[in-house]
Amino acid sequence: KAGVTQTPRYLIKTRGQQVTLSCSPISGHRSVSWYQQTPGQGLQFLFEYFSETQRNKGNFPGRFSGRQFSNSRSEMNVSTLELGDSALYLCASSPHPTGGDIQYFGAGTRLSVL
Amino acid sequence: GEDVEQSLFLSVREGDSSVINCTYTDSSSTYLYWYKQEPGAGLQLLTYIFSNMDMKQDQRLTVLLNKKDKHLSLRIADTQTGDSAIYFCAGPTDKLIFGTGTRLQVFP
Repeated sequence: KAGVTQTPRYLIKTRGQQVTLSCSPISGHRSVSWYQQTPGQGLQFLFEYFSETQRNKGNFPGRFSGRQFSNSRSEMNVSTLELGDSALYLCASSPHPTGGDIQYFGAGTRLSVL
Repeated sequence: GEDVEQSLFLSVREGDSSVINCTYTDSSSTYLYWYKQEPGAGLQLLTYIFSNMDMKQDQRLTVLLNKKDKHLSLRIADTQTGDSAIYFCAGPTDKLIFGTGTRLQVFP
């Protein structure tokens, strides 16, 4: 069974641009969560989607948004990029919502904002 | 609010045991996790424990859970240089709250 796949693996953008990251969960998994990892703030929860509905949201500005499709694939979008958005963005999937099932992570997308 | 705390560094000699500790403030999740992160990589699920268990053993890994003290530990027996990485505990609510990570350094 294929693992969680995140694309692209690396991205370089400039301030003010927007970016879309993609996450394909493990087959059969309906929950997808996104996390941001930075050296200063560590790993922080962004949001979780389950069956195409946002179930939970972290404390991030509205520039960060996401969605989930009927095949459970998820995308997250960051608009008006800032230097501080440079981070490793990790996606995790599980069969059921977080807290009730094992979370498996992808390799991440490393975003650099110049 | 919810919080998970870990010590930042641990240095051990190859062949010795490593013990990484974690404390948390809330406990509503079914699972508590240990993840391993190597440089430039994502999070690898190392092991997990059900919140109604006290101990879980998985080859060289032993997880102990003290629910009363809200303390979780990971013991790695016969630590190898390949175990050098950052270890994160996570849980215990409906969105994963991660500790700061413990950087394990194994020296020969």
